[in-house]
Amino acid sequence: DAKTTQPTSMDCAEGRAANLPCNHSTISGNEYVYWYRQIHSQGPQYIIHGLKNNETNEMASLIITEDRKSSTLILPHATLRDTAVYYCIVRALAYGNKLVFGAGTILRVKS
Amino acid sequence: DGGITQSPKYLFRKEGQNVTLSCEQNLNHDAMYWYRQDPGQGLRLIYYSQIVNDFQKGDIAEGYSVSREKKESFPLTVTSAQKNPTAFYLCASSIGGVYTFGSGTRLTVV
Repeated sequence: DAKTTQPTSMDCAEGRAANLPCNHSTISGNEYVYWYRQIHSQGPQYIIHGLKNNETNEMASLIITEDRKSSTLILPHATLRDTAVYYCIVRALAYGNKLVFGAGTILRVKS
Repeated sequence: DGGITQSPKYLFRKEGQNVTLSCEQNLNHDAMYWYRQDPGQGLRLIYYSQIVNDFQKGDIAEGYSVSREKKESFPLTVTSAQKNPTAFYLCASSIGGVYTFGSGTRLTVV
C-alpha cells in the first residue's frame, strides 16, 4: 500500500472549515483514499473514502486531485467535538488487504 | 444497533499471566482485526482474520494468540511471552474496505 504524508498538527476555529491535507504521491491506480478519525481514548471512526472523484457525505467532503497524488478532507463547519487525530490511508480494495495507520494529523478545534 | 463490543473496558494483569480480550460483532462481517495502540502512537496490527477458522499474523504478533471459531467472535490472548503488554487494544471488523472499530480495552500490567 502507498505511503501517506500528513501534517503533524493543525488548528481550526470553531465554525470555520477545517481542511486537512494528505500527500500520497506513490498511489496506484487501484488504491482508494480512506479517512478515519480517532477521538481521545476511543476507537477510530470511518469518515469517507474515494477513488478519483470528489466525495461528500454527512460528515465531510473529500477532494482528490486529478493526478491523485494528494487529497484534502474538508469538515465544513468544525465544532469542538471534531478535535481528534485524523488518519489518511491509501489501500487497494482486495481480499487480504489491511488498513495501515500512520501518525495522522492532530486537529484542534478552538472556540 | 449493529456494532462491535469489546470487553472488558479496563483490564489489569499480573506479570506472567495470560489474559484474553473479548471482541464480538453483529455486523455479519467476514473480516476481523486486532490492533494495539501505545500512548501518542498510531495503531499497529497484531492479527487479522478474513474468514472463520483462518487468521494471519500482523506486524507485531509475537506474544499474542487468536482464534476464530465463530464469525461473530475474535478473541485475543495476551500471553506471558509478550514483554510489554500494557497498551490500548482495538478490535475491528470490515466489509468493502470500511472498518468498524470497537471502543477498546485498556490493559495494564501490575
